[in-house]
Amino acid sequence: QSGLTQPPSVSGTPGQRVTISCSGSNSNIGSNVVNWYQHLPGAAPRLLIYNGSQRPSGVPDRFSASKSGTSASLTIRGLQFEDEADYYCAPWDNILNGPVFGGGTKLTVL
Amino acid sequence: EVQVVESGGGLVQPGGSLRLSCAASDFTLETYWMAWVRQAPGKGLERVANINQGGSEKSYVDSVQGRFSISRDNAQNSLFLQMNSLRVEDTAIYYCARERGRYFGMDVWGQGTTVTVSS
Repeated sequence: QSGLTQPPSVSGTPGQRVTISCSGSNSNIGSNVVNWYQHLPGAAPRLLIYNGSQRPSGVPDRFSASKSGTSASLTIRGLQFEDEADYYCAPWDNILNGPVFGGGTKLTVL
Repeated sequence: EVQVVESGGGLVQPGGSLRLSCAASDFTLETYWMAWVRQAPGKGLERVANINQGGSEKSYVDSVQGRFSISRDNAQNSLFLQMNSLRVEDTAIYYCARERGRYFGMDVWGQGTTVTVSS
């Protein structure tokens, strides 16, 4: 639907590192920065990463992001139970002239 | 605390109307673009509409064009979404969000208000 592909789910154990991928196209990831959001069920979505790699105040440095070509990734180091949530990539799309969201990835901490 | 709080959701029959409201606290709404984002059951996030600071520029996702109307009252620090000709597929949690553009994303979100379209 959005043209962005994220894995439906990933999992890890406390302390591990996990990576969530986001694949797009030249009109979005290929030519724009990628923002990332964290969404816990029943809560307000939270901006996790902006401008490709910057963290808003309050977001721990365990969260980092990068981009290469038309793909982006979010990495969480030192996984904690509180990280269990849905994660969305959201680059700007030049054709839509607005942000487009990936389908979301559910992170389970085992 | 900087926050937004949505209200106005509910159960409505197909073809009906609802008006959602979003009240902003501890920031001046007129300084920012604002948006409505929804999440349908089992689906991801989708920006439905957004509006510039003065209300002169608005955009909508194709699926709601001509049925939904976004507006704002800066004097009341409030954002609105008028939803007409509602369809079953409009069923979702609707979030109000402060927009900071392509580089800074949506940095303030509400808890959402639930809209259910069903007969």
